[in-house]
Amino acid sequence: DQQVKQNSPSLSVQEGRISILNCDYTNSMFDYFLWYKKYPAEGPTFLISISSIKDKNEDGRFTVFLNKSAKHLSLHIVPSQPGDSAVYFCAARGNAGNNRKLIWGLGTSLAVNP
Amino acid sequence: DTGVSQDPRHKITKRGQNVTFRCDPISEHNRLYWYRQTLGQGPEFLTYFQNEAQLEKSRLLSDRFSAERPKGSFSTLEIQRTEQGDSAMYLCASTTSHVTEAFFGQGTRLTVV
Repeated sequence: DQQVKQNSPSLSVQEGRISILNCDYTNSMFDYFLWYKKYPAEGPTFLISISSIKDKNEDGRFTVFLNKSAKHLSLHIVPSQPGDSAVYFCAARGNAGNNRKLIWGLGTSLAVNP
Repeated sequence: DTGVSQDPRHKITKRGQNVTFRCDPISEHNRLYWYRQTLGQGPEFLTYFQNEAQLEKSRLLSDRFSAERPKGSFSTLEIQRTEQGDSAMYLCASTTSHVTEAFFGQGTRLTVV
């Protein structure tokens, strides 16, 4: 049972435009949601997170939106750059009782075309 | 300290052999996690240490897998009698209770032939 779902396996965007990556979850007990970026043969690199009590967090070109009622979050990258091409994983963090382990989606492969 | 370090980066082994991986977390990080990632999947949780105590093991971790963190610093993950299905990227992450995100190492890519 996939608790964190990224329904789009891939996304292609033109350089300079907005990239929107989506993520849905089923467990209302998650306390943080995180986005990681991953290049082949490397470990995931943390991008941005959002607390379950917030609805928006912004860091430079990256903004994450959380809609708790819909159990949905999205990552916006604007403007998109070719160096953003990678696999993006949405992860949800369990609370302290769940040892704060991360539950991951399957990832969305983003290609930013020059 | 430049981050989480994993060794080796790549390991090719014959089926039935034992392998051991090492993870050096960021110093002062008391929480350490092992995850496994196969192609087309997100990372899957394997086990969690708080200091030297192993507090949780996934049911994915069969009896052939064992992990230790003897002094609450580095950790090892051993796989005995490897099988082809063990082929994956093994990721280590560390964090503290004061930090939201977990920091990952480069991973160890295991190929069982």
